[in-house]
Amino acid sequence: AQKVTQAQTEISVVEKEDVTLDCVYETRDTTYYLFWYKQPPSGELVFLIRRNSFDEQNEISGRYSWNFQKSTSSFNFTITASQVVDSAVYFCALTSDNYGQNFVFGPGTRLSVLP
Amino acid sequence: DTAVSQTPKYLVTQMGNDKSIKCEQNLGHDTMYWYKQDSKKFLKIMFSYNNKELIINETVPNRFSPKSPDKAHLNLHINSLELGDSAVYFCASSPWDKGSRDLNEKLFFGSGTQLSVL
Repeated sequence: AQKVTQAQTEISVVEKEDVTLDCVYETRDTTYYLFWYKQPPSGELVFLIRRNSFDEQNEISGRYSWNFQKSTSSFNFTITASQVVDSAVYFCALTSDNYGQNFVFGPGTRLSVLP
Repeated sequence: DTAVSQTPKYLVTQMGNDKSIKCEQNLGHDTMYWYKQDSKKFLKIMFSYNNKELIINETVPNRFSPKSPDKAHLNLHINSLELGDSAVYFCASSPWDKGSRDLNEKLFFGSGTQLSVL
């Protein structure tokens, strides 16, 4: 079975603080893919990043960075110098070889960035 | 020029009614999905179709019936609506094809349909 856990249900930070959203996944497959999506208050789901299981390089995109560690089955997401516009629900998702493209989503972390 | 469009955006109806939600994608993708997002924001897959063929059919009541007339459309029909069906329903598509081993394809989501059953 596949599972994605996002232990932080809600996080509140003050603008300009750094914040890390945790994602822990479970899969028995050796080939799998991880994703992060953002859902702002307007409701749409916005793709942020994807990573495959063979690529453990961390990635940085502007204020966003992702830390993929297979040893701990984690794919954490850090926002540096957070802004009010970062307020949203963030979802981590997993798909793998034996599940076709059945994306399993974590329960989401609601981030509130206060001015 | 919306890539994945679903209608209506809001749907308010009485218990027991039958309703449909339509979804169309103009991205040329081979696979389309329906996801349900409950009041706690939990996203769960309901169905997926690859080139009009049903691929994923999760444990969903028989009252929910997807229909894919062609690979650009995946509609969701719901019979005998119940209070518990109230949720946001998202349509999505991806370029993934059943014959492909590459699962590195992301999902493109529609803007969601908020269904309220009274």
